[in-house]
Amino acid sequence: ELKVEQNPLFLSMQEGKNYTIYCNYSTTSDRLYWYRQDPGKSLESLFVLLSNGAVKQEGRLMASLDTKARLSTLHITAAVHDLSATYFCAVDRVGATNKLIFGTGTLLAVQP
Amino acid sequence: DTGVSQDPRHKITKRGQNVTFRCDPISEHNRLYWYRQTLGQGPEFLTYFQNEAQLEKSRLLSDRFSAERPKGSFSTLEIQRTEQGDSAMYLCASSRLGDSNYGYTFGSGTRLTVV
Repeated sequence: ELKVEQNPLFLSMQEGKNYTIYCNYSTTSDRLYWYRQDPGKSLESLFVLLSNGAVKQEGRLMASLDTKARLSTLHITAAVHDLSATYFCAVDRVGATNKLIFGTGTLLAVQP
Repeated sequence: DTGVSQDPRHKITKRGQNVTFRCDPISEHNRLYWYRQTLGQGPEFLTYFQNEAQLEKSRLLSDRFSAERPKGSFSTLEIQRTEQGDSAMYLCASSRLGDSNYGYTFGSGTRLTVV
């Protein structure tokens, strides 16, 4: 069974600092996704990583994928308060059905 | 295209009542998914349709839950004899087979509270 783990579960950081969220998954996966969720809201797609070594950046967020280590990272550069949210990674596998399996999420709180 | 629409946004019901939620996917998306999310947890897969065929159901989908997608367009999720443990956010997502962006688009969700 495909399992996805994130750490840390909670991250409190000051504005201007850098930090990394880690996402480990248990078996071979075809694609790795990062989503953002604000309180009471739905999921906003941030990145889709398709292959080993893939790196994508948007603003202060950068995501990378190491399929051999079954590890993805979401790096936050010079955090600002607007980045405060819960971040989820998710994986899926090509097969008879495609479905996303989500991690537990990382609650990020950026303090001024 | 207005994205994935879900209705209602919020539902409060008494224990034992039946509830039905609706999801309208992006029109050209042939795949539709239902997820459940409880407070502080990641979304959990419930079921999946490709066109009108329900291809997979999670163990989480007890006999009280039923989902349909009769014409391969909108979908409904019905919960019979609701229990307090059914209180959660129910999320719908859609995607398109062969989409090179491999994107899943999520709706705003239906928040169910069973009292």
